[in-house]
Amino acid sequence: DIVMTQSPDSLAVSLGERATINCKSSQSLLFSSSNKNYLAWYQHKPRQPPKLLIYWASIRESGVPDRFSGSGSGTDFTLTISSLQAEDVAVYYCQQYYYTPWTFGQGTYVDI
Amino acid sequence: QVRLQQSGPGLVRPSETLSLTCTVSGGSTSNYYWNWIRQPPGKGLEWIGYVNFNGNTNFNPSFKTRLAMSTDTSRSQFSLRLTSVTPADTAVYFCARAHWGTGHFDSWGQGTLVTVSS
Repeated sequence: DIVMTQSPDSLAVSLGERATINCKSSQSLLFSSSNKNYLAWYQHKPRQPPKLLIYWASIRESGVPDRFSGSGSGTDFTLTISSLQAEDVAVYYCQQYYYTPWTFGQGTYVDI
Repeated sequence: QVRLQQSGPGLVRPSETLSLTCTVSGGSTSNYYWNWIRQPPGKGLEWIGYVNFNGNTNFNPSFKTRLAMSTDTSRSQFSLRLTSVTPADTAVYFCARAHWGTGHFDSWGQGTLVTVSS
């Protein structure tokens, strides 16, 4: 199985400041023929289902605020929240869909 | 806007079978993978497997011997059956949609807490 490792496990950021979450995969998620990275990011708040933020490593899902951005390629990826808002307090997960079983990182809790 | 509505019991006895159903409304069931994902208390997300409405399945090997998934095209429903459950199967179970050829989940059910206890 592809192992996804996020860092840090948790972080606290001041309102309006930048939050950066890292995700490392145990093997490359770049499919060479399509030049796409098979990686997604989700936001998960208590008592709600997870919400897709980013797919193909850097494509923002429709309706997601542009303060959320994804970057990286191969085995190293980053989710950036450029200006943290109160409503962004949540657990964030990366997920690979290069190979089944599709696997998630352990999650990063972002707080104010 | 597609909507996924989950149904099923919240309590299952040990050694019995966990059964959940997800009803799809407001969108097509074709050309998608229909997934089950779970989150044990205090833990992260775990992909269980998917089925499509052609009847094809792909299961996480961690569950393979206990797992079945099926679809009912007439009702736009897909279902999960997990046999021989133990307390370790206690989790919030989500159904979710992924586009064919991808594996990111763009629509989710509301989640069902299933507790395995006698």
